[in-house]
Amino acid sequence: AQSVSQHNHHVILSEAASLELGCNYSYGGTVNLFWYVQYPGQHLQLLLKYFSGDPLVKGIKGFEAEFIKSKFSFNLRKPSVQWSDTAEYFCAVNAYNKLIFGAGTRLAVHP
Amino acid sequence: NAGVTQTPKFQVLKTGQSMTLQCAQDMNHNSMYWYRQDPGMGLRLIYYSASEGTTDKGEVPNGYNVSRLNKREFSLRLESAAPSQTSVYFCASSEEGYNEKLFFGSGTQLSVL
Repeated sequence: AQSVSQHNHHVILSEAASLELGCNYSYGGTVNLFWYVQYPGQHLQLLLKYFSGDPLVKGIKGFEAEFIKSKFSFNLRKPSVQWSDTAEYFCAVNAYNKLIFGAGTRLAVHP
Repeated sequence: NAGVTQTPKFQVLKTGQSMTLQCAQDMNHNSMYWYRQDPGMGLRLIYYSASEGTTDKGEVPNGYNVSRLNKREFSLRLESAAPSQTSVYFCASSEEGYNEKLFFGSGTQLSVL
């Protein structure tokens, strides 16, 4: 079945640590890729998106993601996390005109 | 600029009761969506409306109905609530389809006893 997998369900980091959240999808063909974030008590908002071109995309708040077509992956990265990055992160894939979300990764950053 | 407004924020129902979740957006967006969020399952699309006057089923439409009342409003109705519908419901809108940024409402936490 077509799916979006986020393998890390919970991640705990200390401030200044580097972050990489995995996202893999199982769709062939052309896809558009997104990362959304949900901060505690807030609604989901877009972090970044990839449609075409440079596979390394930069988003808000110092986040970036790399599209690796051969690995069907779109991993989210940040070199140095802050306490304010504590949130739930969702990868999403638009394929065949359907936007499918992964199960989410809860990130807790400790000061 | 309110964005996407959902009401109510919290609701408790008994099995078999009905209710309607309201959603309105003030961004003149064409497309609107209803998602449910369950632990460990992410967001799943219930119904969407690509434009005023059209609605289509998503991944999990059973037990729900929707109405695109006008361009601004998109309501979700539970005709006979079941415990399996306990979830957090999000309404979202976008200018035109999935490749545009989705703007989400703040969610409705629904418990069905």
